[in-house]
Amino acid sequence: TQLLEQSPQFLSIQEGENLTVYCNSSSVFSSLQWYRQEPGEGPVLLVTVVTGGEVKKLKRLTFQFGDARKDSSLHITAAQPGDTGLYLCAGPGPSNDYKLSFGAGTTVTVRA
Amino acid sequence: KAGVTQTPRYLIKTRGQQVTLSCSPISGHRSVSWYQQTPGQGLQFLFEYFSETQRNKGNFPGRFSGRQFSNSRSEMNVSTLELGDSALYLCASSPAGSDTQYFGPGTRLTVL
Repeated sequence: TQLLEQSPQFLSIQEGENLTVYCNSSSVFSSLQWYRQEPGEGPVLLVTVVTGGEVKKLKRLTFQFGDARKDSSLHITAAQPGDTGLYLCAGPGPSNDYKLSFGAGTTVTVRA
Repeated sequence: KAGVTQTPRYLIKTRGQQVTLSCSPISGHRSVSWYQQTPGQGLQFLFEYFSETQRNKGNFPGRFSGRQFSNSRSEMNVSTLELGDSALYLCASSPAGSDTQYFGPGTRLTVL
């Protein structure tokens, strides 16, 4: 059972469309991170959200942390083929024994 | 700064063999974590080393072990390989006091 549930699992859209990826949990997190992983590479940190209700923008990417700090979303406006990749949310593990716990990821494909 | 490097990038082994993977963290990072990534289970935390000591450990059998050297370089060993150990093994380093993981490109292990 994943501590962090991501949806959808797969997303395929046309260039120029918008998309939203969700990350949900029944647990409260002190912070959540979003990573993007491209084929053949390791994940790369996009953003860290730490305050309930926080909204962060990174060019065409908008990240939101839920008020209760149990969920987060990633919205991409006018997606481009370069946005293709596996998007992962992550938070501090379920106990002090875990570094980070990751969601299963959302595979995003943006078609030209 | 140079990023996290992992060697080898690809490895093919047979069941019952053992394997050692190597990771060099970003200069100045003393924390090194290892993750296993598979299509079915996603990214799962294996263990973390800090200053040559294992600080955290995920829920993996004892066949998975690691160590860290005085220069912060780390190795991960898997003994008595099983088919299910086929995966991408990712190493990540962190600066002191941060949860942010800087990932290497991974080692793709195939067990035949």
